[in-house]
Amino acid sequence: EVQLVESGGGLVQPGGSLRLSCAASGFTFSTSWMMWVRQTPGKGLEWVAHITPDGSITNYIDSVRGRFTVSRDNAKNSVFLQMNSLRAEDTAVYYCARDFAYQTYDYWGQGTLVTVSS
Amino acid sequence: QSALTQPPSASGSPGQSVAISCTGTSSNYVSWYQQHPGKAPKLMIYEVSKRPSGVPDRFSGSKSGTTASLAISGLHAEDEADYYCGNSGVFGGGTKLTVL
Repeated sequence: EVQLVESGGGLVQPGGSLRLSCAASGFTFSTSWMMWVRQTPGKGLEWVAHITPDGSITNYIDSVRGRFTVSRDNAKNSVFLQMNSLRAEDTAVYYCARDFAYQTYDYWGQGTLVTVSS
Repeated sequence: QSALTQPPSASGSPGQSVAISCTGTSSNYVSWYQQHPGKAPKLMIYEVSKRPSGVPDRFSGSKSGTTASLAISGLHAEDEADYYCGNSGVFGGGTKLTVL
């Protein structure tokens, strides 16, 4: 059974940091492109970042570039999102997902809520 | 790519058919996701018209020009959900489907 389990969300003050984790099982993680996607009531679904299977290439939406860093540990079947200098507009449910082809996401985690508020 | 445009709502009675449009697509890598409240999105259609295993054949996809469509035939109560299209890393705003 495929599972993606996110953790690390919570309440943080503006300017603070959080590190999200996503543990994968049930598929070949080491050959999979992985993504972080977030969802807010106002803006719907939004792709945030992706990382190639070997971790050598990453990309980010403009609004988080320079503040967020995506990484992975293939030995632990895990992908991470380090979020720094958090802003109120980063408040969302964050999902990790697998991109199986051309930005099509076949496996999703259950999501973890990040709330940025003072 | 600019955001994709979907109607905010759609509805139909059980057994009827409904179609949801998605305008602004730029490639044939169009996908559709179903999301029930409090749940993660689920892939229903990829590459315009392909269905992942386990997705009922009541769900179908098509594309004409820059507008993609998701069609659901023989509506079931459990089809009531939000539906999102996706293309080249961009998502539509979502359509809330109500089964009357």
